[in-house]
Amino acid sequence: DAGVTQSPTHLIKTRGQQVTLRCSPKSGHDTVSWYQQALGQGPQFIFQYYEEEERQRGNFPDRFSGHQFPNYSSELNVNALLLGDSALYLCASSLVQGSNTGELFFGEGSRLTVL
Amino acid sequence: GIQVEQSPPDLILQEGANSTLRCNFSDSVNNLQWFHQNPWGQLINLFYIPSGTKQNGRLSATTVATERYSLLYISSSQTTDSGVYFCAVLRNGNKLVFGAGTILRVKS
Repeated sequence: DAGVTQSPTHLIKTRGQQVTLRCSPKSGHDTVSWYQQALGQGPQFIFQYYEEEERQRGNFPDRFSGHQFPNYSSELNVNALLLGDSALYLCASSLVQGSNTGELFFGEGSRLTVL
Repeated sequence: GIQVEQSPPDLILQEGANSTLRCNFSDSVNNLQWFHQNPWGQLINLFYIPSGTKQNGRLSATTVATERYSLLYISSSQTTDSGVYFCAVLRNGNKLVFGAGTILRVKS
């Protein structure tokens, strides 16, 4: 049973560039959430996708956008990169339980460095 | 929004010792999870425990939802237990809110 997979694992960009991160959910899961973890802090919720729609969004600017595909995989796009966007980006998958989210399972993350 | 506080922030143990990590939250929750973050950054699921008690090997967890806290017990600690332990809660909707974590170092 494949777990949550993310790519790439590491990447380096310069300020102003754009980046796309990818995530495949755990088998059987239909919901993907993205989190940003700065060094020394807990993960912060960016947004969640279900049925190819953004279901809920955290306190992140519009430079952060996403997409979910019919096979439930997802992408996170960040435009106009800032130095402060350097972080570990974590993808989590889950199954919807009514109006709430069930247990979340995380991937290994994509570590983004912005120079 | 809901607040999550973890204690202690740092903990150093000798191998074989036992420890208790605490998670306090400011409102009722629908979901509570404990994670171990390994040195490579991956969050490993330990427990999904919105209420009650669960055990998995040397680890166990108890959540007292009415008093808004959860405890993670680690017995007979090993060096491989080192890392950051996070508590995360979900109140309504779809957003897990994480605490700041407890950094555990187990010395041999």
